[in-house]
Order: sequence, then structure tokens, then C-alpha cells
Amino acid sequence: AQTVTQSQPEMSVQEAETVTLSCTYDTSESDYYLFWYKQPPSRQMILVIRQEAYKQQNATENRFSVNFQKAAKSFSLKISDSQLGDAAMYFCAYSFGAYKYIFGTGTRLKVLA
Amino acid sequence: NAGVTQTPKFQVLKTGQSMTLQCAQDMNHNSMYWYRQDPGMGLRLIYYSASEGTTDKGEVPNGYNVSRLNKREFSLRLESAAPSQTSVYFCASSEAWDRWETQYFGPGTRLLVL
Repeated sequence: AQTVTQSQPEMSVQEAETVTLSCTYDTSESDYYLFWYKQPPSRQMILVIRQEAYKQQNATENRFSVNFQKAAKSFSLKISDSQLGDAAMYFCAYSFGAYKYIFGTGTRLKVLA
Repeated sequence: NAGVTQTPKFQVLKTGQSMTLQCAQDMNHNSMYWYRQDPGMGLRLIYYSASEGTTDKGEVPNGYNVSRLNKREFSLRLESAAPSQTSVYFCASSEAWDRWETQYFGPGTRLLVL
């Protein structure tokens, strides 16, 4: 069965520092997509970054980047120069097939001033 | 451009009462979804609508019904609310229902069933 695991329920980072959130997934598929979503206290989830499994190059969006290790089935999110506005729940998600979208349990990120 | 909107934001029900959660999107998306979010769990799909006129069950459909009223609107109905349905409900939409599509989420509805 496909699963997404976020083993860190909560992380803290000092403002301006770098933090990495972990995500692993289990799949027998070869063609799939991976996402990181951010859910701030307002609760509305927004996409942070997306990675296509067939692309070896890691996706980057400004201060956000991923470390995608397909063989290890690992998809971590790195946030550089952390800002107070980055404080939120972060969900890793995996999508495959005609319609299959699986979310992890989330990691709460605290940013310390 | 409001994106995905949901009403109400918060609702308290008594066991056995019914209610409908409303969702609308103004992005001309074809696909829409209803999720529930419970503490310590990821979002779980209740129902989805791949396109106007179609609906399908997701992972946890029991106790719910949906209506895709038109391309913009997708409602979720609880016919006889139970305490187990206390949760935060999210509506989402995407341009299509392919695996690479980004989903756009509404702000959520917090439902408490007593």
C-alpha cells in the first residue's frame, strides 16, 4: 500500500537559519508526483513546491528546495533563511495513477525570533 | 479572484442533525474534492468530482453525500451527524484530476458534533 510518512511531528528553527523537514513514502509506482503543502494558522493550505518523479533535478522555489532521493523514496524540504511567516504545518503529499492523492500527517514548524 | 471559498467557517451540530457544507471555486477548475482533517492524521479524501456531472467516493465516504451543482460548486451533506464526524473539512479544486495537478484549498470548515 502507498503511504507517506512524516516522522517529525514538530520542528523548530531560528529566524534566518535553515531547516529540513523529512518525508518518506512507500510505492511500487515509477511515475508519480510529490508535493509539499503549507498550512498556516489561517488553515488554508497552499502549495510550496512540486517534484516530478521522472526528473532527477531537485525542484527549487526561492528559499524552498527539495532533496529528492528516488531510490531511497525520500523527499525532504529545505527552507533557507527561515522567516516568521514560514511558521505553519507542512504536509508532504504523493500523487499517482488516475486519481490517488495521499497526504502525510504533517510537521509543525515553529520559527523562533 | 477569491479562489476556493467555503461556508460556514464554523458549525456546531447535535447528533442526528443534518447540514450542508458549501464550496465554490472561481478558477474554472474541472475537478473538486472534499477532505477531512483530524488530529494526528493527514487529510483524507471523502468524495471527489473529476468533472461536472460526476462524483466518486474517496477513502472515507460513509455518512456523507455530495452534489456537484455546477462547475463552480460542490457541496457536502451530512444527513445525520455523528460525533465521529467532528473534524475540519476542506474543499479543494484542480484544473483536472491528473496526478500532476496542484490542488487549491479553501480555508476549511470546523465542525463540532455534540
